Amino acid sequence: QQKVQQSPESLIVPEGGMASLNCTSSDRNVDYFWWYRQHSGKSPKMLMSIFSNGEKEEGRFTVHLNKASLHTSLHIRDSQPSDSALYLCAAAGTGGYKVVFGSGTRLLVSP
Amino acid sequence: DAGVTQTPRHEVAEKGQTIILKCEPVSGHNDLFWYRQTKIQGLELLSYFRSKSLMEDGGAFKDRFKAEMLNSSFSTLKIQPTEPKDSAVYLCASSLDANSDYTFGSGTRLLVI
Repeated sequence: QQKVQQSPESLIVPEGGMASLNCTSSDRNVDYFWWYRQHSGKSPKMLMSIFSNGEKEEGRFTVHLNKASLHTSLHIRDSQPSDSALYLCAAAGTGGYKVVFGSGTRLLVSP
Repeated sequence: DAGVTQTPRHEVAEKGQTIILKCEPVSGHNDLFWYRQTKIQGLELLSYFRSKSLMEDGGAFKDRFKAEMLNSSFSTLKIQPTEPKDSAVYLCASSLDANSDYTFGSGTRLLVI
C-alpha cells in the first residue's frame, strides 16, 4: 500500500525566515501531489498542487517536484505567524488511484 | 458558499450509543470520503465512495463504522456502538474525480464518554 512520508514532523522558524517541508511517496505510479494547510481547529484547505517536474511559485510559497525520486517539497519564504499550521502532503496516481495523505508537518512561526 | 456541509459540528455520546454523522458534498463532485483525524494517528480513511458506489470501507473500521451514500448529495456515517477511543474529529471531503483536489467539510468533533 502506498505510503506518503513527510519530514520533519515539526518545525519552528522565526518570523521572516524560510520554512522547508519535505514529502516522498513510496508508489512509483504517483503522478499528482498536493499540499494542504490546516490551521488549528479548522479543516484542511488545498494550498498548492504540482503535477509536472520542476517548480511552481505562488506568492511566498514555492513547490518543487522531482518525479524520478517521487519527492516534493514546499518552501515558505518570509514566514508569518499566520503560516503556523499543520501541512499535509497528498499524492495520487493515474488510473483512478485514490489520494493518500501523509501524517503532516507541524509548522510554528515564532514572532 | 457551496462547500462540503457536515452536521452536527459537535456530538457528545455515552459509550455504547449509536451516532449518525451527516455530510453533503460539493454539488457535482463524484468522489466522497470519510476520514477520522486525531493528533496521534493523523488522517485515517474510513470510507470512500465513487459515484455513490462504495470503493473502500476502511478495513479495520468495518465492524462498528458504516458509511452510506443514499444519493449523490448526501452521505451518513454511523458508529455503532460508540467507544471512548472513537473520540476524534470526523471529516468528510469530496472531489470531482480521482485526480482533483479535495474540499473538506468543517468536521464533526465527537466525544464519547
